[in-house]
Amino acid sequence: QVKMVQSGAEVKKPGASVKVSCKASGYVFTSYFIHWVRQAPGQGLEWMGRVNPSGGSATFAQNFQDRVTMTRDTSTNTVYMELSSLRSEDTAVYFCAKDEIGSGYTYWGQGTLVTVSS
Amino acid sequence: DIKMTQSPSSLSASVGDRVIITCRASQSISNFLSWYQQEPGKAPKLLIYAASSLQSGVPSKFSGSGSGTDFTLTISSLQPEDFATYYCQQNYSPPYSFGQGTKLETK
Repeated sequence: QVKMVQSGAEVKKPGASVKVSCKASGYVFTSYFIHWVRQAPGQGLEWMGRVNPSGGSATFAQNFQDRVTMTRDTSTNTVYMELSSLRSEDTAVYFCAKDEIGSGYTYWGQGTLVTVSS
Repeated sequence: DIKMTQSPSSLSASVGDRVIITCRASQSISNFLSWYQQEPGKAPKLLIYAASSLQSGVPSKFSGSGSGTDFTLTISSLQPEDFATYYCQQNYSPPYSFGQGTKLETK
């Protein structure tokens, strides 16, 4: 069955970077985009971007354009989201999700809490 | 960018009630609209895709309608497990924005 397993919680200082991983299994990894969505404490869902595991190209929301990198490793079926220049407002749970080709996200990772604090 | 506006932001209802949540897109998105349910501390769960298609395994008490810019999610015969937060999302063009959410609470 399809699974999306994310890396564990992180605590970072302001100005640092964080790299969150999402390991996919149970389907053809290169056939479906993977998206990243974050949720600050008590807040709504915010779309960050997506990566194409086939070619590695990525599209980002403008809010993150200058600070985010999304990559993939086809040998391990893993995608990575790296966010740099962290600030307290980046404290959130970060989710990866499998794109069902324009039909929403059926499968989600369990979420990774990133806490930014001095 | 396409802005998604949900209403209401919160809703009080009782077990057995029928509720309707609306979502409006700032421009036409055809039927590229999904609805999610999220319980505290969990990942969102896909309920409806393509505006009106019920995701496999989701009870038929959930239904979606609309196209273009205006969409609705209807939940009939509310049960205790339905009290959660609901989000719409446009899947038409990036950035794939979400509505701000509707928190469904027990009256």
